Amino acid sequence: ILNVEQSPQSLHVQEGDSTNFTCSFPSSNFYALHWYRWETAKSPEALFVMTLNGDEKKKGRISATLNTKEGYSYLYIKGSQPEDSATYLCAFSSAGGTSYGKLTFGQGTILTVHP
Amino acid sequence: NAGVTQTPKFRILKIGQSMTLQCTQDMNHNYMYWYRQDPGMGLKLIYYSVGAGITDKGEVPNGYNVSRSTTEDFPLRLELAAPSQTSVYFCASSFGPNQPQHFGDGTRLSIL
Repeated sequence: ILNVEQSPQSLHVQEGDSTNFTCSFPSSNFYALHWYRWETAKSPEALFVMTLNGDEKKKGRISATLNTKEGYSYLYIKGSQPEDSATYLCAFSSAGGTSYGKLTFGQGTILTVHP
Repeated sequence: NAGVTQTPKFRILKIGQSMTLQCTQDMNHNYMYWYRQDPGMGLKLIYYSVGAGITDKGEVPNGYNVSRSTTEDFPLRLELAAPSQTSVYFCASSFGPNQPQHFGDGTRLSIL
């Protein structure tokens, strides 16, 4: 069983603060690392899929980096807004056999942005 | 585009009953997935499919069955419902294994 861990579990910030979360995953047999945003009462929505060591992706105020050799990814939110409040999930897939595409999700980081 | 459509949205079952959760996608995705979400446990993969006629077990397949006779549809069947299967079920699809997954709105299932 693959272990994907996210920290912190929850985070409260003030509007305008910048914040970041961590996703740790196995450093061997890496294939892809996904980030999803999950708002209450909705379904998860894809933010990024990263496949190469050193990848950096950006979407508006949200960006992510990837280090496959040490097994971690960071998600950054610059100038948090109340509408950024959501659970942020990372998910890992490994290479080989029938593992491609099978995602193992972390528990998520719950972000609350206070006005 | 409807994307990924799941039916029903809510259902209450009695222990021992069976039912099928429906999932259909109109994006011509080859890959489809079923997850369950339990409080504090994140999303766990139940079954997935890489194309019509091909399915494989995920992390928590016991008590469930799937079939994939067409590209569009990926139903999940519970044969003998048990209280431990009370959960929210999500279906998802993607173009390929390193492409983002698109999720349906979920089915909330309670077994009493």
